[in-house]
Amino acid sequence: NAGVTQTPKFQVLKTGQSMTLQCAQDMNHNSMYWYRQDPGMGLRLIYYSASEGTTDKGEVPNGYNVSRLNKREFSLRLESAAPSQTSVYFCASTSGPEDTQYFGPGTRLTVL
Amino acid sequence: AQSVSQHNHHVILSEAASLELGCNYSYGGTVNLFWYVQYPGQHLQLLLKYFSGDPLVKGIKGFEAEFIKSKFSFNLRKPSVQWSDTAEYFCAVGDTPDSWGKLQFGSGTQVVVTP
Repeated sequence: NAGVTQTPKFQVLKTGQSMTLQCAQDMNHNSMYWYRQDPGMGLRLIYYSASEGTTDKGEVPNGYNVSRLNKREFSLRLESAAPSQTSVYFCASTSGPEDTQYFGPGTRLTVL
Repeated sequence: AQSVSQHNHHVILSEAASLELGCNYSYGGTVNLFWYVQYPGQHLQLLLKYFSGDPLVKGIKGFEAEFIKSKFSFNLRKPSVQWSDTAEYFCAVGDTPDSWGKLQFGSGTQVVVTP
């Protein structure tokens, strides 16, 4: 039982490049989330998926898109990376709104 | 919109000292409350949570938190810290119902425990 896994662990991009961050969970959770963590700002929700087939914007969605590929997988795409998107990205999942969120190990992204 | 305040950004204390971290939130309705910890280089882990019932909640590693509804607070405490408690601590709040599990996080408190 791996929990929540994320790939890659580290990534360096140039401004304007695109990439997809992958997240998968093996806990049969319904809901999945993408957060970014910046120093002094805690974690901010980018997008979430309450259940398979649905996605919705969080607090800071601009510059990102998501896909809930199936119940296990939830990807985050940067179409045209900007230096302001340099951050650590965490994926999380939960079985429902009354349950704990479980976090992945994070992806450290640097945009030059 | 919900906001979460953690008043201490950095705390430095010696081993065996007591720790208390403050957390206040703005929403006056029903909330779910969490404290997460992030050890250096690791991902977030749940320390404890409050959904309902006894407002004094015990978590892992000797941590506890008290929910005071009238003060919109959920402060974290540990009577005697260890060097291994060096980490960043995040308070998080989920509005209910229909919040779909979305959490609002505080900005975090970096705790350094010196030997």
